[in-house]
Amino acid sequence: AQSVSQHNHHVILSEAASLELGCNYSYGGTVNLFWYVQYPGQHLQLLLKYFSGDPLVKGIKGFEAEFIKSKFSFNLRKPSVQWSDTAEYFCAVEAAGNKLTFGGGTRVLVKP
Amino acid sequence: DTAVSQTPKYLVTQMGNDKSIKCEQNLGHDTMYWYKQDSKKFLKIMFSYNNKELIINETVPNRFSPKSPDKAHLNLHINSLELGDSAVYFCASSRVTDRFGTEAFFGQGTRLTVV
Repeated sequence: AQSVSQHNHHVILSEAASLELGCNYSYGGTVNLFWYVQYPGQHLQLLLKYFSGDPLVKGIKGFEAEFIKSKFSFNLRKPSVQWSDTAEYFCAVEAAGNKLTFGGGTRVLVKP
Repeated sequence: DTAVSQTPKYLVTQMGNDKSIKCEQNLGHDTMYWYKQDSKKFLKIMFSYNNKELIINETVPNRFSPKSPDKAHLNLHINSLELGDSAVYFCASSRVTDRFGTEAFFGQGTRLTVV
């Protein structure tokens, strides 16, 4: 069965700092990859996705993620965070024919 | 212990039937959600309940009705199932924390197939 690991459960950083959230998955075949964000009191929103093509994908709000197939990773990055980026971030992986599997989430606190 | 559990994991049923998917969370969260994974693979919010009260009701056919008997449960009932209802449905729960803002957990999903 596929699994998704998000290494950091909690991240605290200051505004303007750079953010990188790790995501690794275990599945050897073709995958679709997603990052979702849940802001306080809101439901999930899609940040970005990777299906195929350029492994560096850009999403909304200045986020990007890089798919490294050899490392089974899909790390999320943002060069300069804002206080409004405080949220919980979920990596999700869908292998062919399987259901979406979520990582455990990483809660990010950006200090003003 | 499973934080958010959905039952059943798989459901195959005929068109026109009525079915329910159950969701329970043992985290003490106040808010629960139902999402549908659409044909493009994205999650779309369907409903959100906070303390048993409906707070989000997206454009979803009336055949879909959420029911929250208590804040630990949010069930999804679907009447007169149609082929287009075939999808994976995810339940989730969350709470707003003091420090980090939000904490959410997802169920494993229910794959509904209407034949």
